[in-house]
Amino acid sequence: QSVLTQPPSVSGAPGQRVTISCTGSSSNIGAGYDVHWYQQLPGTAPKLLIYGNSNRPSGVPDRFSGSKSGTSASLAITGLQAEDEADYYCQSYDSSLSGSGVVFGGGTKLTVL
Amino acid sequence: QVQLVESGGGLVKPGGSLRLSCAASGFTFSDYYMSWIRQAPGKGLEWVSYISSSGSTIYYADSVKGRFTISRDNAKNSLYLQMNSLRAEDTAVYYCARQVATITPIDYWGQGTLVTVSS
Repeated sequence: QSVLTQPPSVSGAPGQRVTISCTGSSSNIGAGYDVHWYQQLPGTAPKLLIYGNSNRPSGVPDRFSGSKSGTSASLAITGLQAEDEADYYCQSYDSSLSGSGVVFGGGTKLTVL
Repeated sequence: QVQLVESGGGLVKPGGSLRLSCAASGFTFSDYYMSWIRQAPGKGLEWVSYISSSGSTIYYADSVKGRFTISRDNAKNSLYLQMNSLRAEDTAVYYCARQVATITPIDYWGQGTLVTVSS
């Protein structure tokens, strides 16, 4: 069981808008720690997509946006394109855990219909 | 440009050992915290181990504590993961990853190296 909970899958048609949720608790997202999102295209390494809840690294299209509220965060993708089909992971920090505190969601597979 | 290149993966029998390496370039290696993150076939991401920029602070996931050892050589711009007493459940792609600190994002990932533990 992952510390952060994501839906296993979402889908949408080209041009549509989809959202992926990431639910945590009072020791991670709810404690104010930032949420980061990664995109993993098939057969490749993850790539940073959104950092600090809502910031896009250089080169990431503005079709991708992030938000955070309470103990949850969301990734929104507008104007869905075929190349957006990938696995998406949220990540945050959890103060209640031993170790580094780095925690991931279980991942969400986005299918473009 | 930032590059992280892992090596050392392969097929090993249960109970065996393997040493992974990660060669870093394109940035000041000694300024960054580094982690190993793994992904079992068809599964999600699992943080494995973390080492601070100087090497003075090290953390391990409970699943590998006592079996894996992370280290770094800042003079050689390299990160290592010594894996002993390997189990079938350690089978995964192992990624080398860069962070400024534990609460900051993982801004660069290597391409990964596959470790397969099987008899």
